[in-house]
Amino acid sequence: EPEVTQTPSHQVTQMGQEVILRCVPISNHLYFYWYRQILGQKVEFLVSFYNNEISEKSEIFDDQFSVERPDGSNFTLKIRSTKLEDSAMYFCASSATGRNQPQHFGDGTRLSIL
Amino acid sequence: AQSVTQLDSQVPVFEEAPVELRCNYSSSVSVYLFWYVQYPNQGLQLLLKYLSGSTLVKGINGFEAEFNKSQTSFHLRKPSVHISDTAEYFCAVTVDLYSSASKIIFGSGTRLSIRP
Repeated sequence: EPEVTQTPSHQVTQMGQEVILRCVPISNHLYFYWYRQILGQKVEFLVSFYNNEISEKSEIFDDQFSVERPDGSNFTLKIRSTKLEDSAMYFCASSATGRNQPQHFGDGTRLSIL
Repeated sequence: AQSVTQLDSQVPVFEEAPVELRCNYSSSVSVYLFWYVQYPNQGLQLLLKYLSGSTLVKGINGFEAEFNKSQTSFHLRKPSVHISDTAEYFCAVTVDLYSSASKIIFGSGTRLSIRP
């Protein structure tokens, strides 16, 4: 069964540094998402992306965050100047075209900010 | 705005016993309902979904859930659990929008621990 893959599985970064989290969605999917889960808390929506632009973003997704689909396969989340509170598990998801197709999640990237 | 409440943060159950994980939602518009499972050190896997039709939906691994519109609930059940069911379970909703890029709103999760 096709999968969403995320790299790296664990990223350790110094506070203030930029970090890029990478995702390869399922190949025929057109809708892409990022979520995050701070340790011990619920999974929170960050942003959705379709047709090379952001469809919706949460209030968490401020100016330090950006997303990009640089080629036909990758979908990236960039955090420009990381803060301690950015430490979390970040999940990428994708879904096929059509209303309410289920979102398929990757295994996540654990981001640790020191 | 939509919200999802999972009343139990942890549910310990003996192996082969039945289990029910409770979920209530709040929304002023129609929603679609999901249960996701997260095994240790893994991502989120879809267990089952309710979009329309029969209110009893069956998912993978022997789980089922019943949509109750009047009680705004979507409780997850399994008649006999196994050690391998040990995981975190998340109830979730998406809003019935015409847009296909519909965000998921998750509950806080219920940790199911199975005792031998």
